Amino acid sequence: EAQVTQNPRYLITVTGKKLTVTCSQNMNHEYMSWYRQDPGLGLRQIYYSMNVEVTDKGDVPEGYKVSRKEKRNFPLILESPSPNQTSLYFCASSLISGTAQNNEQFFGPGTRLTVL
Amino acid sequence: DAKTTQPNSMESNEEEPVHLPCNHSTISGTDYIHWYRQLPSQGPEYVIHGLTSNVNNRMASLAIAEDRKSSTLILHRATLRDAAVYYCILREGTYKYIFGTGTRLKVLA
Repeated sequence: EAQVTQNPRYLITVTGKKLTVTCSQNMNHEYMSWYRQDPGLGLRQIYYSMNVEVTDKGDVPEGYKVSRKEKRNFPLILESPSPNQTSLYFCASSLISGTAQNNEQFFGPGTRLTVL
Repeated sequence: DAKTTQPNSMESNEEEPVHLPCNHSTISGTDYIHWYRQLPSQGPEYVIHGLTSNVNNRMASLAIAEDRKSSTLILHRATLRDAAVYYCILREGTYKYIFGTGTRLKVLA
């Protein structure tokens, strides 16, 4: 089944304790992206990657790191989490098509992170 | 960055058409307009997209104003399963997505 998976689905941690949220897709998509969703603010893009070893900042990259060493994986790293990073996080992936210009994104189920 | 503005919520009766508006007055000529929806406790899912012309697919229709400063997502016959938050999104270039805050659609039986 074509899907985007995220782990863990739920995480409670404390301020300053490094954590990684994994994201994996099995659709051979070039493009992957991370979003956070907060009440009243909708979804905001954190980082995105156009292919292996190619990443760029979205609207809210502060406090986050990403890496894209393999095409299927795009982990989100919080080196020193703070309470304002408590949020619902979504990973997404899509093809990058030169002419169709659709690039429909497929989203994972979300990771709910609480930083105390 | 361009920005989208949507009403916070709308209601519709089941089996009736629904028109969900979106303003994007700062859109640039190359920004695509995407719509996604988010069902409760799920990630967003693609609905439709367009650039300049009106678009139809099995889920919905997208009407884009001639000046591209606004668009309307049209659900032709709302069902209870269409109750969701609908996001109007601008895709800048190929890679950057700007989500609006979404419209929560309530469908009344």
